[in-house]
Amino acid sequence: DAGVTQTPRHEVAEKGQTIILKCEPVSGHNDLFWYRQTKIQGLELLSYFRSKSLMEDGGAFKDRFKAEMLNSSFSTLKIQPTEPKDSAVYLCASSFFAEQFFGPGTRLTVL
Amino acid sequence: GQQVQQSPASLVLQEGENAELQCNFSTSLNSMQWFYQRPGGSLVSLFYNPSGTKHSGRLTSTTVIKERRSSLHISSSQTTDSGTYLCALEGAGNTGKLIFGLGTTLQVQP
Repeated sequence: DAGVTQTPRHEVAEKGQTIILKCEPVSGHNDLFWYRQTKIQGLELLSYFRSKSLMEDGGAFKDRFKAEMLNSSFSTLKIQPTEPKDSAVYLCASSFFAEQFFGPGTRLTVL
Repeated sequence: GQQVQQSPASLVLQEGENAELQCNFSTSLNSMQWFYQRPGGSLVSLFYNPSGTKHSGRLTSTTVIKERRSSLHISSSQTTDSGTYLCALEGAGNTGKLIFGLGTTLQVQP
């Protein structure tokens, strides 16, 4: 079985650009999560879908971060406009009611 | 304050030594999960352990809900065990969301 896949693995953006990160969850999983990981803050939840419905829209991340799940096998995270403080690793995870499995992540650098 | 606290923050071992990593939480729990992360790598699930004790090779996870703690025991450590170990809990209510600790960074020296 394929695990969680994420593309691209690395992204470099100029400040103010729009970037879109992609995630494909494990087939059959009904929960999908987007996290951001930095050395200082650790792992922070950005968005959370259950059966394609948005359950959490990111709180403090709402204004420039938008996650969508157009079908059960594909999700995107859009950051618009990017700022240097958005430089981090963005992780996608999926689960079937319990244990979460993570993708390889996208390392974003905003100049 | 931090709902999930891990200790120690970092640990250095000689190969062959054992390690005990702790995770304490201040909220009621629905499930507990332990992850391993190599530098620059993603999170690999080690244990999904809502309660009791589970074993996997040289690793043992024990979660005691009443005492609001979980531990990860590594026996006969190897240099390939080096990396960061993260615990995460799902709070009561079956929300599906995990709250992560900041991790324990382990370095095993030959």
